[in-house]
Amino acid sequence: QKEVEQDPGPLSVPEGAIVSLNCTYSNSAFQYFMWYRQYSRKGPELLMYTYSSGNKEDGRFTAQVDKSSKYISLFIRDSQPSDSATYLCAMSIFGNEKLTFGTGTRLTIIP
Amino acid sequence: GAVVSQHPSRVICKSGTSVKIECRSLDFQATTMFWYRQFPKQSLMLMATSNEGSKATYEQGVEKDKFLINHASLTLSTLTVTSAHPEDSSFYICSARGASGGGTDTQYFGPGTRLTVL
Repeated sequence: QKEVEQDPGPLSVPEGAIVSLNCTYSNSAFQYFMWYRQYSRKGPELLMYTYSSGNKEDGRFTAQVDKSSKYISLFIRDSQPSDSATYLCAMSIFGNEKLTFGTGTRLTIIP
Repeated sequence: GAVVSQHPSRVICKSGTSVKIECRSLDFQATTMFWYRQFPKQSLMLMATSNEGSKATYEQGVEKDKFLINHASLTLSTLTVTSAHPEDSSFYICSARGASGGGTDTQYFGPGTRLTVL
């Protein structure tokens, strides 16, 4: 079993829809949770960074962490074609800098 | 802020040659840099972690003599793929992490380097 599971998709939604991306994990030691966006042939770009259960909002993006269920989500509101990319969840253990990534979900927003 | 650059962005080389990839943190001091490789449609796999002024720590299965890492300063790390072979063709991405609490204590990634070995 992988430490971090993420549905690779692909996921296609119409422009303006709410997108929900999810990851589950098995290692309860993970304390820090991140979402990265990666465009084709580019490096990952940090979108959200959180270290506590609950919701964190930044513009159209909301990150949700449920440590009791070992489940994290990223919601994208009012999705735009420019949001089309691969979204990677990543997590790390407190004091440990190594990131463990999910496989990434390929998202396409249809105009 | 928190910009990381990589050079070159793309390199094509013949089998048996060595290739050096540079990773720079442009607006912060990176106490730790990480090197990843990513195969098509796959996630990032950590190769090694380097702290400025000390030897890199390699992940299991990564040949340290083949992938030489130097982190000579707080803004520069280099990865040298020695005697590259076609199976080394991949997308190599570095990331940099600043000092804890400094606002750059998460990892910021470079744009990646596409290596093709003929």
